[in-house]
Amino acid sequence: QKEVEQNSGPLSVPEGAIASLNCTYSDRGSQSFFWYRQYSGKSPELIMSIYSNGDKEDGRFTAQLNKASQYVSLLIRDSQPSDSATYLCAVQIGGGADGLTFGKGTHLIIQP
Amino acid sequence: GAVVSQHPSRVICKSGTSVKIECRSLDFQATTMFWYRQFPKKSLMLMATSNEGSKATYEQGVEKDKFLINHASLTLSTLTVTSAHPEDSSFYICSARGRGNEQFFGPGTRLTVL
Repeated sequence: QKEVEQNSGPLSVPEGAIASLNCTYSDRGSQSFFWYRQYSGKSPELIMSIYSNGDKEDGRFTAQLNKASQYVSLLIRDSQPSDSATYLCAVQIGGGADGLTFGKGTHLIIQP
Repeated sequence: GAVVSQHPSRVICKSGTSVKIECRSLDFQATTMFWYRQFPKKSLMLMATSNEGSKATYEQGVEKDKFLINHASLTLSTLTVTSAHPEDSSFYICSARGRGNEQFFGPGTRLTVL
């Protein structure tokens, strides 16, 4: 059974600090990993994708992947109040023809 | 780029009626689209994979005769909820596969069945 686990939070971080979001997955065959941001009542918005072990940086966001530990993380630097949202970790087992398995999401609150 | 639209954004209907939701990729062609459902305070659950020109693939537990999917062109997939009941009330979201493996989501359709 495919499972993606996230701490539901809420995770409270002061403005300007680094927010660290974590995700573990159960299927070792997983190949593609994504972080989405979802505001209340809205659909998910893609933040980053990562496919190989290591770090991937895009602006204030850094995704980290460790396939041996089956662990994915997202770091948000210089957190802003507008970053307050639910962050969803999503895993794709096979190639692009496969749907995504989502975690329940971490509710992040950036305190001004 | 990678814009996906959905219509309608909100539907309220009586129990027993059918509801059709359209999903369009506006600036790219999508051979594969996906339909998800999200209940309040829950995560997204994949319902089915929609492939252009072929039958949809449904996830375990999703009734294919109740949730009819048609992917008639490279930019349009439709989901029809047949004989909707209150337990079908949910947030239905489609996604389209972009050039790589990334999926871009539509704005969602909130269905309320009375």
